[in-house]
Amino acid sequence: ETGVTQSPTHLIKTRGQQVTLRCSSQSGHNTVSWYQQALGQGPQFIFQYYREEENGRGNFPPRFSGLQFPNYSSELNVNALELDDSALYLCASSSRSASHEQYFGPGTRLTVT
Amino acid sequence: QKEVEQDPGPLSVPEGAIVSLNCTYSNSAFQYFMWYRQYSRKGPELLMYTYSSGNKEDGRFTAQVDKSSKYISLFIRDSQPSDSATYLCAMSAAGGSYIPTFGRGTSLIVHP
Repeated sequence: ETGVTQSPTHLIKTRGQQVTLRCSSQSGHNTVSWYQQALGQGPQFIFQYYREEENGRGNFPPRFSGLQFPNYSSELNVNALELDDSALYLCASSSRSASHEQYFGPGTRLTVT
Repeated sequence: QKEVEQDPGPLSVPEGAIVSLNCTYSNSAFQYFMWYRQYSRKGPELLMYTYSSGNKEDGRFTAQVDKSSKYISLFIRDSQPSDSATYLCAMSAAGGSYIPTFGRGTSLIVHP
């Protein structure tokens, strides 16, 4: 069984730029959720995708957008980066019938300067 | 008031001690209660989950839920230095997309 993978591991961007983060879900999982985790805080829910459709969204502005592909992999796109977007971005996959059991990838650490 | 409250610690204990980690919550709709372990600069790892009230045991770990008090606990017996990590509680309501709300995590240090 393959676990959740994310790329890249680290990323440094400049304020105003755009970034795309990628996630491959665990085999057998069809639901992907994205989280933002600031230093010393718990993960904050950004949005969830199921069957290539957004299936719930947290309190994040529209410049945070995503995609899910037919193979259940996913992308998180952030436009017009701000300094406060610096955080660990986590992807978690789950099965639709057990979405409370989320399995996380190692995360992408984004630094905005 | 946040929906889920968790003391950030750090909690420092000697090896072999029994550790008690706790969270309180305000949303009575929460039905699923999860505990995650997160090592430094890694993603959270699901340790165990409980549905509704009661206890659940898995090896050295015991999860306890008291819905009447809106209080959950994770006990670690015979703690080891390798247990040093941040422990996150998370909760979600039943139905819908089960999106969990996380606490901020408690940093645990087990010293030899």
